[in-house]
Amino acid sequence: QLQLQESGPGLVKPSGTLSLTCTVSGDSISNANYYWGWIRQPPGKRLEWIGSISYTGKTHDNPSLKSRVTLSIDTSKNHFSLKMTSVTAADTAIYFCARREDYGDLDHFDSWGQGTLVTVS
Amino acid sequence: DVLMTQSPSSLSASVGDRVTITCRASHNVRNNLNWYQQKPGKAPKLLIHTASSLQSGIPLRFSGSGSGTYFTLTINNLQPEDFATYHCQQSYDSPYTFGQGTRLEIK
Repeated sequence: QLQLQESGPGLVKPSGTLSLTCTVSGDSISNANYYWGWIRQPPGKRLEWIGSISYTGKTHDNPSLKSRVTLSIDTSKNHFSLKMTSVTAADTAIYFCARREDYGDLDHFDSWGQGTLVTVS
Repeated sequence: DVLMTQSPSSLSASVGDRVTITCRASHNVRNNLNWYQQKPGKAPKLLIHTASSLQSGIPLRFSGSGSGTYFTLTINNLQPEDFATYHCQQSYDSPYTFGQGTRLEIK
């Protein structure tokens, strides 16, 4: 059974760097049919897609965050990571990692981590 | 960016009811529309992908339809576990975008 688990600091200082890792279990992260992504949910706001990365390291980024976001993947450890620089209070949110099925006409997030709250203060 | 607008933002219904939630896209997204269910403190769960395909393991009382800019999610015979927030999401154009959510409450 596929499981995704986010980990990282829950509190980041303004202007600092947010760093999260998503560890995948129950499947290999090196599956060509999937991207591995990050989505966040600020308090009381809609879900926002941050970006996705394939096992080859190819990334799809949200242009509104691209200048501050770095995605990386480590297939040997079966995990992928998010770094976001120059954070402000507006980056306070629950951060979810998710598997994105991207095959043929299919493109959706079919499995999610439980989410982790990151507060910028 | 494609703006996704759901209506209503919230609704009340009773167990056994049939409800429909709509999602409109500001641009044509063809059938690249997904629906998720989210319960408080939990991650979203994929219900419907490509507008009308039921994700594996999801009960048949959930159905989706639409294409282009107008989509609906219908839940027949509401069950207690269906009271949650529902989100639509387009995967046609980057950046992927979500609706603001529809909160379904027990009447």
